[in-house]
Amino acid sequence: DQQVKQNSPSLSVQEGRISILNCDYTNSMFDYFLWYKKYPAEGPTFLISISSIKDKNEDGRFTVFLNKSAKHLSLHIVPSQPGDSAVYFCAASVGGGSNYKLTFGKGTLLTVNP
Amino acid sequence: DTAVSQTPKYLVTQMGNDKSIKCEQNLGHDTMYWYKQDSKKFLKIMFSYNNKELIINETVPNRFSPKSPDKAHLNLHINSLELGDSAVYFCASSQAGVPGLEQYFGPGTRLTVL
Repeated sequence: DQQVKQNSPSLSVQEGRISILNCDYTNSMFDYFLWYKKYPAEGPTFLISISSIKDKNEDGRFTVFLNKSAKHLSLHIVPSQPGDSAVYFCAASVGGGSNYKLTFGKGTLLTVNP
Repeated sequence: DTAVSQTPKYLVTQMGNDKSIKCEQNLGHDTMYWYKQDSKKFLKIMFSYNNKELIINETVPNRFSPKSPDKAHLNLHINSLELGDSAVYFCASSQAGVPGLEQYFGPGTRLTVL
């Protein structure tokens, strides 16, 4: 019952090119989607989020696109830098009450080659 | 000045032992969480506490007992450790009531049960 799926375990791109990380979900009740970045031996750190009422959110080199009808979102990193090499987790949430929680995908390991 | 801290970072122990992991946050958040990242790399919620009250308990064996002495601390005690408990455990915190708000994660505790 994986509600959030990241079907690509890994992705390798050249420095300066675009990285596109994909995420699919099954629960139509999700109303926020978040991307986290994780370096080895560290905890996940928040990168960018998007509300389900939007289709795009941009923050510097990072843009998240949401296609609600396809239940699909993607994270674009342009231009990619070697320091972006990390595991990227897609997460989703419902509501914001005291029982708020995040449902995570399995993550995609991004390697940016110099 | 670490936002969410966990101790210990690494824990190696024998089956059947009892162990505790401590977590502290200095962000003033009212909600704290425990997540487990297993060998398949899924990050799954285990518990959440809001103002010292247990809110989420995601069908975790009762060998796992969280305790929140105050809003800033959430400890995890595990009795009768089993091989399958080997995983990385992450503590996180956030402010309740805000949809889509990011959670802040600690660096993780890698538990190895021999």
